[in-house]
Amino acid sequence: GENVEQHPSTLSVQEGDSAVIKCTYSDSASNYFPWYKQELGKRPQLIIDIRSNVGEKKDQRIAVTLNKTAKHFSLHITETQPEDSAVYFCAARPSTGNQFYFGTGTSLTVIP
Amino acid sequence: EPEVTQTPSHQVTQMGQEVILRCVPISNHLYFYWYRQILGQKVEFLVSFYNNEISEKSEIFDDQFSVERPDGSNFTLKIRSTKLEDSAMYFCASSGQGAMPQHFGDGTRLSIL
Repeated sequence: GENVEQHPSTLSVQEGDSAVIKCTYSDSASNYFPWYKQELGKRPQLIIDIRSNVGEKKDQRIAVTLNKTAKHFSLHITETQPEDSAVYFCAARPSTGNQFYFGTGTSLTVIP
Repeated sequence: EPEVTQTPSHQVTQMGQEVILRCVPISNHLYFYWYRQILGQKVEFLVSFYNNEISEKSEIFDDQFSVERPDGSNFTLKIRSTKLEDSAMYFCASSGQGAMPQHFGDGTRLSIL
């Protein structure tokens, strides 16, 4: 089955700096890659997603890049703000089925 | 914005007892899922449900678990003979046509004593 690795596990950045979180996946046929933000005690919320036929997608301060050859995808947050502090999970959906395989999460702290 | 709702938010149960976790997916969604997250670990897929039957399940989803859509709005996860290691946060999710993206509920924290 699909295996998703996520790095780093913790990340601290100064407010205004950029944050980058990276994930790799094992199943080359995986075709959909969402990113979720989970604040303490709350539900995972979709913040951005990308399909395998696209290399990059941007939504205001958030962008995701996908390298299918290398089987990795990254989340980029620019001009970070304290409210960006949360745990971020990447996920991959294999070609067979609709279930998501999640990474282990990155705890992002934005220091004011 | 419509949301997936889950009840209860916290369930405490004695080991060996049965629990039912409840979910109300977003009303026009077609695909329903259960995931669990053991404290400090990744979110793990349990089962997906479409067209009134299980479409996929993980190896975690053994005979101890079952799902049901008893009416047009609820989606339930039943865990029989609960074990200590069943303690986790259980998330329900749903998705519409095309199965993506998945929207998650707030979760039910299950504590087995």
